[in-house]
Amino acid sequence: AQSVSQHNHHVILSEAASLELGCNYSYGGTVNLFWYVQYPGQHLQLLLKYFSGDPLVKGIKGFEAEFIKSKFSFNLRKPSVQWSDTAEYFCAVNAYTGRRALTFGSGTRLQVQP
Amino acid sequence: GAVVSQHPSRVICKSGTSVKIECRSLDFQATTMFWYRQFPKKSLMLMATSNEGSKATYEQGVEKDKFLINHASLTLSTLTVTSAHPEDSSFYICSALLAGGSFSTDTQYFGPGTRLTVL
Repeated sequence: AQSVSQHNHHVILSEAASLELGCNYSYGGTVNLFWYVQYPGQHLQLLLKYFSGDPLVKGIKGFEAEFIKSKFSFNLRKPSVQWSDTAEYFCAVNAYTGRRALTFGSGTRLQVQP
Repeated sequence: GAVVSQHPSRVICKSGTSVKIECRSLDFQATTMFWYRQFPKKSLMLMATSNEGSKATYEQGVEKDKFLINHASLTLSTLTVTSAHPEDSSFYICSALLAGGSFSTDTQYFGPGTRLTVL
C-alpha cells in the first residue's frame, strides 16, 4: 500500500521568505500527486496536481511543485510567502492500483508572520 | 469550479443517538464519493468509498454497521453514525470524485466538513 510522508510538521516563516515543503511517497508504480491546502476554518482546496508530463507543476496562488521520480518526491514551493498563506498543507497520492481514494500525508502547518 | 457541500457543518448529539451527514456535489455528478475522518492535528483517514447504486467499500478497521453509507443518487451520499459515542467525536469530511475520463485525470473535490461532538 502506498504511504505519504511530510517531514515538516510546523513551519514558521516571515513574509517574503521562500517556502519549500517536503513530500515523499512510497509506491513503485505510476502515481497521481496532489497538494491540498486547508485555510483555518475552511475546507480542503486543491493547490495543484501532477498526472504526467512536465514534472514542474504550477498551481494557484503562486505555488508550484516538482515531481522527482527517482526520489519519490513531490515538494511544494513558493518563492515569496504572504501572511494569507498561513494554513495546513497536505500532500496526497493516488496510485494506479484501481483504488481511487487518496492517501494523505500528515500535513504541514505553515505559519507566516507579518 | 466543482463544489461539494456538507450538511450539517456542526452537530452535537447525545451518546446513543444517530446522526446523519449529507454530502452533495453541487455542479457535477459523482458516481464515487469518499468519507474521511480527520483527527485534531492529524491527517485525513479514509473511512469508506461510496459508490452510487452499490454498497460502500469500507477501510480496514471501520465498522460498517456503525458508519452507514448510502449513495442513492449521483449527487448525494450520506453517512449515518449510529449509536454514537464520545469516541466518535471528530471532523468528518467527504469528497466527490470528478472523473476526467481516465484514471489519470480524476480529481477529488472536498466538502467543508462536519464537526461531530457526542456528549
